[in-house]
Amino acid sequence: AQSVSQHNHHVILSEAASLELGCNYSYGGTVNLFWYVQYPGQHLQLLLKYFSGDPLVKGIKGFEAEFIKSKFSFNLRKPSVQWSDTAEYFCAVNTYTSYGKLTFGQGTILTVHP
Amino acid sequence: NAGVTQTPKFRILKIGQSMTLQCTQDMNHNYMYWYRQDPGMGLKLIYYSVGAGITDKGEVPNGYNVSRSTTEDFPLRLELAAPSQTSVYFCASSAFGQGSAGELFFGEGSRLTVL
Repeated sequence: AQSVSQHNHHVILSEAASLELGCNYSYGGTVNLFWYVQYPGQHLQLLLKYFSGDPLVKGIKGFEAEFIKSKFSFNLRKPSVQWSDTAEYFCAVNTYTSYGKLTFGQGTILTVHP
Repeated sequence: NAGVTQTPKFRILKIGQSMTLQCTQDMNHNYMYWYRQDPGMGLKLIYYSVGAGITDKGEVPNGYNVSRSTTEDFPLRLELAAPSQTSVYFCASSAFGQGSAGELFFGEGSRLTVL
């Protein structure tokens, strides 16, 4: 079974700082990778996804992620964060044999100070 | 387009009571899922369904049951509620196998407290 590990539980940044959130997965086969965001009191929303092609994926709100297969990683980046990016971020993976079941990481809480 | 709709949004139960969380989707997705979210633990899969009449256990199924009589509906039943079932529950659907990578579309969530 696959698993997902997010390196940081809580990240605190000032506005305009750059962001990188780490995500590693364990699975030897072909995977689809996702980053979701959850704003306080809300449900999860898709930021971006990778399933094939260019390993650098661009998502909504200026976020991007890079799939590095050799490192089993899918790190999320944003060049300049805003106060409105304060939220919890989840990395997730599925495989073609998993019936679409997503396995989630533990989540990273991002706090951005104005 | 409503997407995934869950009810109720909030509920307080006493230990030993039972209840059903309702979930319906209008996107004609074959795959549906129930997750629970606990602080610092991410989301854990309770049950899933790949189509009407077909359900299977996820990672944490104990104390729960599901049914899938139609493509649209996927209710989650809690029998004999316990404090350990205090959580936020999310229903989701996916077009996995229908030309999609399987991104999940989530409902708004149901916050359940068992006292």
